[in-house]
Order: sequence, then structure tokens, then C-alpha cells
Amino acid sequence: SAVISQKPSRDICQRGTSLTIQCQVDSQVTMMFWYRQQPGQSLTLIATANQGSEATYESGFVIDKFPISRPNLTFSTLTVSNLSPEDSSIYLCSGNSGTGGNEQYFGPGTRLTVT
Amino acid sequence: AQSVTQPDIHITVSEGASLELRCNYSYGATPYLFWYVQSPGQGLQLLLKYFSGDTLVQGIKGFEAEFKRSQSSFNLRKPSVHWSDAAEYFCAVGPYNTDKLIFGTGTRLQVFP
Repeated sequence: SAVISQKPSRDICQRGTSLTIQCQVDSQVTMMFWYRQQPGQSLTLIATANQGSEATYESGFVIDKFPISRPNLTFSTLTVSNLSPEDSSIYLCSGNSGTGGNEQYFGPGTRLTVT
Repeated sequence: AQSVTQPDIHITVSEGASLELRCNYSYGATPYLFWYVQSPGQGLQLLLKYFSGDTLVQGIKGFEAEFKRSQSSFNLRKPSVHWSDAAEYFCAVGPYNTDKLIFGTGTRLQVFP
């Protein structure tokens, strides 16, 4: 199984600023995913990131607010722009296992607090 | 629309007791099915998965789940709960025609000594 790390593990940011979250996988994965988990809630998919192409965003999420980079098969970044308190959440990245069946491995998450 | 329902928001059990967490899905065909666990402050760990074949699947940490097509269910079970099992449990489905996962709302498990 793939091991996924995220940086930072947590951050406190001021309103109006941006935070970039890094996701590193210890092996190559075809697809990477970014999720938001609001306090006490389930996971909501923000976007799917493939190498060499634009990320595909889910309904309600836009590139201007959540730009994503995927420069290679082991790394991706998510930026949360123009922060507001409503962006306070845990952000998780995942990668597909490559064994089929939509199986994904998850990073530990980044806890963002916006003040 | 595809959906996953976990009817129990919060379950409390005594250590050593048996456990069953419910999961129902709504989808036109049998999707891939998963159970993940999230300990406080941690990411998600895959407990088990069902793709096809035997409808009773074994996972890590002594968990098992049974797929019942007639009930569109994929309930998670453990015969004897340990205090370390206290966590949030998420059921997820993976529709055949996408690479995505759709998560249920989660069940928080509390274990009393």
C-alpha cells in the first residue's frame, strides 16, 4: 500500500490569505484526490488531479478558489485561496491504489483554522 | 442519485461486546464497497473492501463485513470490541464508471471499559 504524507499538518491563517497544502506519495499513483472534511462531517470530494492535465472539480468547487497542481505521479498541491472562516476544515489528499475498484489511500490530513 | 447512508450517527458499546455498524447504498448496480476508519486527528485507514465474489469479507483489526445485494447493505461487524476501536467509521462506495469514492456521513463509535 502507498504511504501518503501531507504538509503542513495544521495551520492557522488569517482571513484573506491563502494556504498551500502539499501531498507526497511514496510510490507513483495515477490519480490523486483532494477532499474537505468540515468539523464533525463526512468527506466531500473537491477535485481529482491527474498528471499533465487540469484537475477536475466537483460541483460547488472552482479552480479560482482551490487551484491544484500535479507536476508528477507522486506529488500534488492544493491551494485554498482568499480564506474565510468557512474554509476552516480538514483537507485530505488520497491516491488510487492501482489495484482497481476505486480503492484509495489517504494522507493524515491538514487541519486549517481561519481567523 | 448515488448515495450512502449510515443510519447510526453515534454508537456506544462496552469493551468486549459485539458490534455492528450499518451501511446502505443507493446505486443502479453493485458498486465497489469499502469501510474506512478515522481515529481522532488521523487520516483514513482502509479496513476492508468488497469487489466481487464471497459476500463475507475479512479485514484488518478483526473486522468483517457482509454484502447483501437484496438489502443494498454492507454492514461492518466485530465480535468483540476493544477500547482502541473507538473512532469514526465511514462506509464508502465506488461506482463502476468513475474512480471516485462516495462517503457516508460516518458513525462515531465510543467504547466504555
